[in-house]
Amino acid sequence: GAVVSQHPSRVICKSGTSVKIECRSLDFQATTMFWYRQFPKQSLMLMATSNEGSKATYEQGVEKDKFLINHASLTLSTLTVTSAHPEDSSFYICSAQESSYNSPLHFGNGTRLTVT
Amino acid sequence: SQKIEQNSEALNIQEGKTATLTCNYTNYSPAYLQWYRQDPGRGPVFLLLIRENEKEKRKERLKVTFDTTLKQSLFHITASQPADSATYLCALGQTGANNLFFGTGTRLTVIP
Repeated sequence: GAVVSQHPSRVICKSGTSVKIECRSLDFQATTMFWYRQFPKQSLMLMATSNEGSKATYEQGVEKDKFLINHASLTLSTLTVTSAHPEDSSFYICSAQESSYNSPLHFGNGTRLTVT
Repeated sequence: SQKIEQNSEALNIQEGKTATLTCNYTNYSPAYLQWYRQDPGRGPVFLLLIRENEKEKRKERLKVTFDTTLKQSLFHITASQPADSATYLCALGQTGANNLFFGTGTRLTVIP
């Protein structure tokens, strides 16, 4: 149980275009979803926290107009990287949490974004 | 400043030995701590959770300790196997907040 599906797994796009990444909890309802960014050999950096039906909470230094997050239902959150630039190339990972604040996070398998 | 440090970036051990990974933190007051395993190109997978009032937790060949005085958690894998080779991440959680703060990870290689 507790499967999180993230799509696409890899995407290459041209500079200036937008890319949407989907994160779905397949067999549970996720009250909260998180979006992380991970650079090679570095830790997961939390970008934003989203709760269904409300605006996402962004971490300091993360541009909300550049990284648009929509959490339309208890099983789906999307991250749109708008007007992507080469420096946005990274590994983006979503995670979902079922219930209480200390319950484990269930992660998707990540999206490798390359902006050319 | 707040820091979560995992002892070494990489650790190599012989198959059958016990691997011990360290997670040290400063300027946090975690209510709980979680350990995750991450394979290359994949998302992390939850392994164990230990709360601040617990000293030790076990699950099969895994053991986690949590010392809030030393501000440290140790993660042990006994009778290690090559399949245990992966990056292991510790993550801290605080009371009332559901986001986690992750360490930089330790890449474990178990040599046959």
